Amino acid sequence: GAGVSQSPRYKVAKRGQDVALRCDPISGHVSLFWYQQALGQGPEFLTYFQNEAQLDKSGLPSDRFFAERPEGSVSTLKIQRTQQEDSAVYLCASSLGGPSEAFFGQGTRLTVV
Amino acid sequence: GQQLNQSPQSMFIQEGEDVSMNCTSSSIFNTWLWYKQDPGEGPVLLIALYKAGELTSNGRLTAQFGITRKDSFLNISASIPSDVGIYFCAGFPTTSGTYKYIFGTGTRLKVLA
Repeated sequence: GAGVSQSPRYKVAKRGQDVALRCDPISGHVSLFWYQQALGQGPEFLTYFQNEAQLDKSGLPSDRFFAERPEGSVSTLKIQRTQQEDSAVYLCASSLGGPSEAFFGQGTRLTVV
Repeated sequence: GQQLNQSPQSMFIQEGEDVSMNCTSSSIFNTWLWYKQDPGEGPVLLIALYKAGELTSNGRLTAQFGITRKDSFLNISASIPSDVGIYFCAGFPTTSGTYKYIFGTGTRLKVLA
C-alpha cells in the first residue's frame, strides 16, 4: 500500500482482556518496528523484525506482550491480560532495511478500563 | 527506556520567526531522523541524515548531523501556523547491534499568528 496502515485506530479493552493490533507495512519494506507511546512522551521501542525474523524484542515490557510477522509482511502485536498501564498509543513503522528512513502508521490508541 | 535529550522542551514563537531545536546523546549515532507529530497522528518523517557534518534541507527545514555524531540540529525558517506540533529526533546508536531507532523527548512548538 501507499503507507503503513494500522488497525484498529482505537481500542477499548477491559482489564484482563486480550487484544491484537495489526500493522500492514509499506509493500517491499523488509524492516518492521513496533513502538509504544505514552501521553506526552516520545515513542519507545518494543520490537523489530527483519522479514519474518524477530531480531530484537528487548523493549517488550513483559511476557504478556507478543509480536509476530509470520510471512514477513503483516505483523500483529498481541497483549494478553491487559492492564491499565498498557494504555498508550502503539505505533508501527517500516523501512527498506538497514539505516534507512522509517515510516510510521497512524497508530492504535489502546485504552484499558 | 533510553531516550535522546531534546531542547527546548517547548517553545512559543511568532509567525515568521525562525526556530532552532537540537537533540543530544551520550552515544555516537549512525543515523539521525527528524519527525513531526500532530495530535492523534503518527510521526511524519521530515529529514534523514546519514553522515557526520551532513546538512540537508527540505523546504523551510534544515537539519544537520553533528560532527561529533552525538547531536543533531533542526531549523525551521519563517515559521507558519501549520508548523505547530511536536518534533522528535530519532537515531540508532552504533552499539545497538540492530536498527532500533531511539527517540528524543520531543520539542513542542506553538506558533502565534
